[in-house]
Amino acid sequence: GAVVSQHPSWVICKSGTSVKIECRSLDFQATTMFWYRQFPKQSLMLMATSNEGSKATYEQGVEKDKFLINHASLTLSTLTVTSAHPEDSSFYICSAREPGLDTGELFFGEGSRLTVL
Amino acid sequence: GQNIDQPTEMTATEGAIVQINCTYQTSGFNGLFWYQQHAGEAPTFLSYNVLDGLEEKGRFSSFLSRSKGYSYLLLKELQMKDSASYLCAGMDSNYQLIWGAGTKLIIKP
Repeated sequence: GAVVSQHPSWVICKSGTSVKIECRSLDFQATTMFWYRQFPKQSLMLMATSNEGSKATYEQGVEKDKFLINHASLTLSTLTVTSAHPEDSSFYICSAREPGLDTGELFFGEGSRLTVL
Repeated sequence: GQNIDQPTEMTATEGAIVQINCTYQTSGFNGLFWYQQHAGEAPTFLSYNVLDGLEEKGRFSSFLSRSKGYSYLLLKELQMKDSASYLCAGMDSNYQLIWGAGTKLIIKP
């Protein structure tokens, strides 16, 4: 199956700093990538849909100025958590669909665990 | 509204069979997915059903009834490594996935 890689896997930062998470599709081109957040023992929550060459579409309640998404190429989307605070500590996961795959299966990156001190 | 319901937690014995149920309500329907997620890891794809019936894949099978808005994941010959959360997700008419909260499956020796 298709491979999606996410980096970094773990990041610890101080409150008020910004953190960038990268999501790459390694063996296919993804015009659309999805960013999720998952708090402990809870389900995946879609934050935004990242569209190559255009603005991301944010879900209701997600601050677009705080969670900056850039999808500058067909294989890379980045999520920047600006001015991070402890409540932003979570597991962030990206995913993408392989074009032409009938099932619509989502391929997930490894996830990035953010801890804000 | 759109909603996915699945049990929060289930316990089963190694070597046994367990069925995890999922009911869904989506705006339109383009399929039902099951994903496995081990603690601290990203979800991995298990199955996709868009037509009624049972899809078998090794020890795992998934069933769908569109008229009932119901699916189940059947795990046979349980192994300790099957201890994980199992996420049910329905795809709506916009091809967006609506996720359940996940069922934590605990396997006991």
